Amino acid sequence: DTGVSQDPRHKITKRGQNVTFRCDPISEHNRLYWYRQTLGQGPEFLTYFQNEAQLEKSRLLSDRFSAERPKGSFSTLEIQRTEQGDSAMYLCASRTGPPEQFFGPGTRLTVL
Amino acid sequence: GIQVEQSPPDLILQEGANSTLRCNFSDSVNNLQWFHQNPWGQLINLFYIPSGTKQNGRLSATTVATERYSLLYISSSQTTDSGVYFCAGVNYGGSQGNLIFGKGTKLSVKP
Repeated sequence: DTGVSQDPRHKITKRGQNVTFRCDPISEHNRLYWYRQTLGQGPEFLTYFQNEAQLEKSRLLSDRFSAERPKGSFSTLEIQRTEQGDSAMYLCASRTGPPEQFFGPGTRLTVL
Repeated sequence: GIQVEQSPPDLILQEGANSTLRCNFSDSVNNLQWFHQNPWGQLINLFYIPSGTKQNGRLSATTVATERYSLLYISSSQTTDSGVYFCAGVNYGGSQGNLIFGKGTKLSVKP
């Protein structure tokens, strides 16, 4: 049973560019979460999917952010017109019925 | 929203020492988890412990849900235990199950 995977692991971009991250959850995990972690802080919730439906979004998820999970399997998180404040670690987690969440290795974004 | 307070924020130990990390919640939470974040940023699951006590090798955890706190015990610490330890819980009253994290305890174990 493979764990949650995320791609890319690192992304360096220039301010104003668009970036897209991918998360592949543990197979058969129908619930998927995105979190963001800045330096010295714990992860903060961004958005939640149950199967392909996006059921919850944090107010942290500005209109420059969009997330999809088109077939209820992998998910993508896109940031448009990146800003320096978007620099962070983006973490994906998945779970099934039992509430324990399992995290991927994260995508570290640096906006220059 | 719920506040999660972890103490101490920083901890330096000599190899072989024991330690206790604490997590306090401002309101009732469910589905409490403890994680270890390694130097590469990966969150490693240590315990899923909504209540009671669990042990796994040198680590054990206790959650007293009625008093809104949880403790993580590390015995005979090793240098590989270094990293940041997070607790996190769910407040179903306001969410679909997303975890609310503390700021973590940064542990450094010296040889």
